[in-house]
Amino acid sequence: AQKITQTQPGMFVQEKEAVTLDCTYDTSDPSYGLFWYKQPSSGEMIFLIYQGSYDQQNATEGRYSLNFQKARKSANLVISASQLGDSAMYFCAMRPPIQGAQKLVFGQGTRLTINP
Amino acid sequence: EAQVTQNPRYLITVTGKKLTVTCSQNMNHEYMSWYRQDPGLGLRQIYYSMNVEVTDKGDVPEGYKVSRKEKRNFPLILESPSPNQTSLYFCASSLLERDRGGYTFGSGTRLTVV
Repeated sequence: AQKITQTQPGMFVQEKEAVTLDCTYDTSDPSYGLFWYKQPSSGEMIFLIYQGSYDQQNATEGRYSLNFQKARKSANLVISASQLGDSAMYFCAMRPPIQGAQKLVFGQGTRLTINP
Repeated sequence: EAQVTQNPRYLITVTGKKLTVTCSQNMNHEYMSWYRQDPGLGLRQIYYSMNVEVTDKGDVPEGYKVSRKEKRNFPLILESPSPNQTSLYFCASSLLERDRGGYTFGSGTRLTVV
């Protein structure tokens, strides 16, 4: 069964520092997709970045980048130059190659706090 | 604006009183899904639907029902709510074709069962 593990329940970082949120996954399938979502205190889920298992390069979206290490089955989110507005819950998720389905399997989440 | 609309945002109810959480999307997405979010557990899938009249159980379906009579709507029904169903609920939709965009989520429904 597919599984996502986020080992950092909480992280505290100084403003303007870079931060890495860890995510490891477990699957025996060669084809899968990895996602990161941000959940601010208001509760909504905001899509940040996507990495396909066959993508040749690590995904980047503005200040967000995904450090994809396929052999180690890790997909860490890197936020450069953190801002106070980055304080939120962050979820890593995987979409396994279930035929005809779009299910996402989520990790437990990491609560990130940016200190001024 | 492309969106998934959930109602209500907040709901406090008593054990055993049937309730429905509505979900509607305006993007013509085939796939719709319900998740519940609990501290330390992340989001877990309750039910999903791949098209009209096609629904199936997710990982935690006990105590819930769904229906998909129209493509845009996917209500979540709790026939006899219990306190262990107190949670934050999300409806999400996406194209059935697997793409890089992931889900569009609703704003969430915070349910408390007393």
